Amino acid sequence: GNSVTQMEGPVTLSEEAFLTINCTYTATGYPSLFWYVQYPGEGLQLLLKATKADDKGSNKGFEATYRKETTSFHLEKGSVQVSDSAVYFCALSESNDYKLSFGAGTTVTVRA
Amino acid sequence: EAGVAQSPRYKIIEKRQSVAFWCNPISGHATLYWYQQILGQGPKLLIQFQNNGVVDDSQLPKDRFSAERLKGVDSTLKIQPAKLEDSAVYLCASSRGLDKETQYFGPGTRLLVL
Repeated sequence: GNSVTQMEGPVTLSEEAFLTINCTYTATGYPSLFWYVQYPGEGLQLLLKATKADDKGSNKGFEATYRKETTSFHLEKGSVQVSDSAVYFCALSESNDYKLSFGAGTTVTVRA
Repeated sequence: EAGVAQSPRYKIIEKRQSVAFWCNPISGHATLYWYQQILGQGPKLLIQFQNNGVVDDSQLPKDRFSAERLKGVDSTLKIQPAKLEDSAVYLCASSRGLDKETQYFGPGTRLLVL
């Protein structure tokens, strides 16, 4: 079956630091890959997505590249801000049913 | 565009009681999902509707959980009787028929079973 494994947290960074959250997946077909973010007190929001190998998703300074050869979709941001403090979830969906399978989430705290 | 609405936001009940959650998806969204998010874990799909029909309920504990989506719009999720391990956040999400991959989530209902 499908599964997503992401880096355990919590992760604590200083402002302007570089952020990487690792995500690897197992899927039977050719899934689409997503990063969702959950800010404190808010619902899950789609951050970015990639639908095929070598695609790069980007939004709000975050980027992730779909790497089929390493079955990975690592999230990166070059210079984080306090407002990036949130829980980040990696997820995948198969093209035949669009159900999302989530990782456990990584809590990121950015200190001023 | 209004987002996915859920109510109540919080609920505390005792074990063996029943509880119901309500979800109103984004207008025009054909697909509706209910997820369970236990503390420290990622959301897990419970049930998926396409219009008013069930597409997948393989992960729904049918001995105690039920869900319906009458008229293909609003949906309710019920737990009867509740167990301690049902304490979680229940998330509702919806997506368009043509762009099914992007799911939009509501704020969730936080359930505590004592």
